[in-house]
Amino acid sequence: GAGVSQSPSNKVTEKGKDVELRCDPISGHTALYWYRQSLGQGLEFLIYFQGNSAPDKSGLPSDRFSAERTGGSVSTLTIQRTQQEDSAVYLCASSLFWREKLFFGSGTQLSVL
Amino acid sequence: RKEVEQDPGPFNVPEGATVAFNCTYSNSASQSFFWYRQDCRKEPKLLMSVYSSGNEDGRFTAQLNRASQYISLLIRDSKLSDSATYLCVVNSRAGNKLTFGGGTRVLVKP
Repeated sequence: GAGVSQSPSNKVTEKGKDVELRCDPISGHTALYWYRQSLGQGLEFLIYFQGNSAPDKSGLPSDRFSAERTGGSVSTLTIQRTQQEDSAVYLCASSLFWREKLFFGSGTQLSVL
Repeated sequence: RKEVEQDPGPFNVPEGATVAFNCTYSNSASQSFFWYRQDCRKEPKLLMSVYSSGNEDGRFTAQLNRASQYISLLIRDSKLSDSATYLCVVNSRAGNKLTFGGGTRVLVKP
């Protein structure tokens, strides 16, 4: 069966541009997470969606970051006015229910020049 | 105090040896516990869930100590391919989302 799919796999952008990263979770999974990981660092939680509940946005580093999840399925993470410190791998993960095991996509490597 | 804490290591382990490390969590009401493995520049992958009674999967054994609020992972007969970062995951107090520890790096050497 299909796993978590993320696109693009690589994104190079110029400082100040906006970028959109997409995540297609496993079908039927109600929980969806976005994480960020800089080289050699741990996973940094960004945002969490669970069913129809209000998302937990407590990890978003600034108001330049936003995310939505349409129809309880596909999610888009948007970074406005990108900065060089936004360069990282952005990982999406989904789970069947709120405290079930997570399945990760292969990530989007974002490079801001 | 962080919600989920791990010794970052690295744990340098001779091939064939046993290594064990812990992960402490702050939420006494946590109910879900997992160990993930992450290889360099790859996404994390589930290694095993951790059950109250403890569980074993081949050379890997996971334990849960609720009284002291930690989980452990033991690797027996270490292989070179076990070199990775091991992440513990616990559901947090806020919204029940799953929270990752910072990871423990294990290096198995010949």
